[in-house]
Amino acid sequence: EAGVAQSPRYKIIEKRQSVAFWCNPISGHATLYWYQQILGQGPKLLIQFQNNGVVDDSQLPKDRFSAERLKGVDSTLKIQPAKLEDSAVYLCASSFTGNQPQHFGDGTRLSIL
Amino acid sequence: GDSVTQMEGPVTLSEEAFLTINCTYTATGYPSLFWYVQYPGEGLQLLLKATKADDKGSNKGFEATYRKETTSFHLEKGSVQVSDSAVYFCALKRLTGANNLFFGTGTRLTVIP
Repeated sequence: EAGVAQSPRYKIIEKRQSVAFWCNPISGHATLYWYQQILGQGPKLLIQFQNNGVVDDSQLPKDRFSAERLKGVDSTLKIQPAKLEDSAVYLCASSFTGNQPQHFGDGTRLSIL
Repeated sequence: GDSVTQMEGPVTLSEEAFLTINCTYTATGYPSLFWYVQYPGEGLQLLLKATKADDKGSNKGFEATYRKETTSFHLEKGSVQVSDSAVYFCALKRLTGANNLFFGTGTRLTVIP
């Protein structure tokens, strides 16, 4: 089966600009996660979707980050405006249900200048 | 709150050496425990898991035993190979509530021929 697809793989922007990341989960997976992985740290959950509804967004900096999964399949994560501390790898993961193992994409590496 | 503490790296071993990467956790109740591996430029892959006390997860020669009394889930392998060079993450997931994973900071392993 095809894995979790993410794009772009790399993105370089200047601070205060906006950026968007895209994720296509494994077919049939109802649960989708966005994680932020800062260099030298483990991934940290930003937001979790169940189909097109938000399950947990308590760690999402809502003043600048937004995410949607309108049709319950693909998802986009947006940052506007970006700050230097947003430099990280943004990982998307999906699972069949919330209790099943999570499968990760290769991530988008974001660099803020 | 829930957390995972991992042995700091980097760890450098010769091929065929014995590997131990320590992991301890703090959680309410009895979480599920996981080891994920991240090869260079790739996303995280599930290596093994254990869902209850005294369970042993194993895969590709790696093993880890869920020890409730010491709140630990140490990763071991009897004979490492160059291809095992990667970053290893210990993680937990609660049985109830949010299904997201809490990750440790990761341990980079380099195996030299």
